[in-house]
Amino acid sequence: GAVVSQHPSWVICKSGTSVKIECRSLDFQATTMFWYRQFPKQSLMLMATSNEGSKATYEQGVEKDKFLINHASLTLSTLTVTSAHPEDSSFYICSVHLGGLNTEAFFGQGTRLTVV
Amino acid sequence: KQEVTQIPAALSVPEGENLVLNCSFTDSAIYNLQWFRQDPGKGLTSLLLIQSSQREQTSGRLNASLDKSSGRSTLYIAASQPGDSATYLCAPYFNDYKLSFGAGTTVTVRA
Repeated sequence: GAVVSQHPSWVICKSGTSVKIECRSLDFQATTMFWYRQFPKQSLMLMATSNEGSKATYEQGVEKDKFLINHASLTLSTLTVTSAHPEDSSFYICSVHLGGLNTEAFFGQGTRLTVV
Repeated sequence: KQEVTQIPAALSVPEGENLVLNCSFTDSAIYNLQWFRQDPGKGLTSLLLIQSSQREQTSGRLNASLDKSSGRSTLYIAASQPGDSATYLCAPYFNDYKLSFGAGTTVTVRA
């Protein structure tokens, strides 16, 4: 399967600052990556679809100006949480589909964001 | 909005017992369905992918079935081990590539 690496694994930041999370596909070129968010004891919710070389597609209710996504290369997508607030504290995780959009999904190890 | 329900929410069994985890979804027009394992504070590990034309998939002690017409999938884990303790997530593919997740079943296997 595909190897997906996220960095950092955890981060603590102050309210009002911005945090960047990286998602790398180590052995696979991914034109599309996906960003999810998971609150404690809850399911994963798709936030946005990251498209290489074009704008990301955001799910309903997700603020695109707050969660900036950049897919600059076929192996790297970044999620920047801007002007973070405590309610943004969550587990953020990215994924790729190995053989095209309708195939097996592989996930990174996730990033635990805590905003204080 | 597609709903994915996993029952039970939690399960505790002694080592060696077989596990049966259930997943149901409201929209039978799914493409594929994938089962994942998530350890506390960690990412998701893919266990099995059942493609839309398949009715089941097997890997080692794991077997997953899919009945699209009734909107159900079941994950069987044979001869459970303490290392199987984790949260198991079911994720049907709706709208082509988008995964919808259930809340998961948290399994504890007692030694």
